[in-house]
Amino acid sequence: ETGVTQSPTHLIKTRGQQVTLRCSSQSGHNTVSWYQQALGQGPQFIFQYYREEENGRGNFPPRFSGLQFPNYSSELNVNALELDDSALYLCASSSQLARADTQYFGPGTRLTVL
Amino acid sequence: GDSVTQMEGPVTLSEEAFLTINCTYTATGYPSLFWYVQYPGEGLQLLLKATKADDKGSNKGFEATYRKETTSFHLEKGSVQVSDSAVYFCALVNDYKLSFGAGTTVTVRA
Repeated sequence: ETGVTQSPTHLIKTRGQQVTLRCSSQSGHNTVSWYQQALGQGPQFIFQYYREEENGRGNFPPRFSGLQFPNYSSELNVNALELDDSALYLCASSSQLARADTQYFGPGTRLTVL
Repeated sequence: GDSVTQMEGPVTLSEEAFLTINCTYTATGYPSLFWYVQYPGEGLQLLLKATKADDKGSNKGFEATYRKETTSFHLEKGSVQVSDSAVYFCALVNDYKLSFGAGTTVTVRA
């Protein structure tokens, strides 16, 4: 069974640029959630996708957007990057809507905005 | 809204010492509760979970009991090892999202 994978591992961008992060969910999982973890803090929920539709969203501006594909993999897109977007971005997958189910995390993508 | 409050760190212990990390939560309804662990440079790994009141989650010698009356989910381990050095996050899931505490850094010295 393949776990959650993310790419790239590290990324360096400059302010104002756009970035796309990718996530492959664990085999058999149809729900993907994205989290932002700033240095020294707990992860913050960005949004969740279920069956290719956004299912819920945290307190993040519209320049954070996402997609889920028929194979349940997902992308996180961030436009007009700001310095505060520097963080570890974590993807998590689960087998159903996450009310009671467990989310399994990938290793994350470290984004640095200069 | 939902929130999780964890005992502040860092915590430094000697090998074979007893570890407790306090966690309390505020939530509507009946959330499931989790402890995740993050080793240096890695993502989050599920350590244990509990889905209803009085449930005890356990894994790798760690335990936590879902206490609805005190809205707590404290993590304990009776004898820590150097390999337990990591950041520990308490979390709850309600509706569709996980809400995390700020994390507690634990360092175990040989």
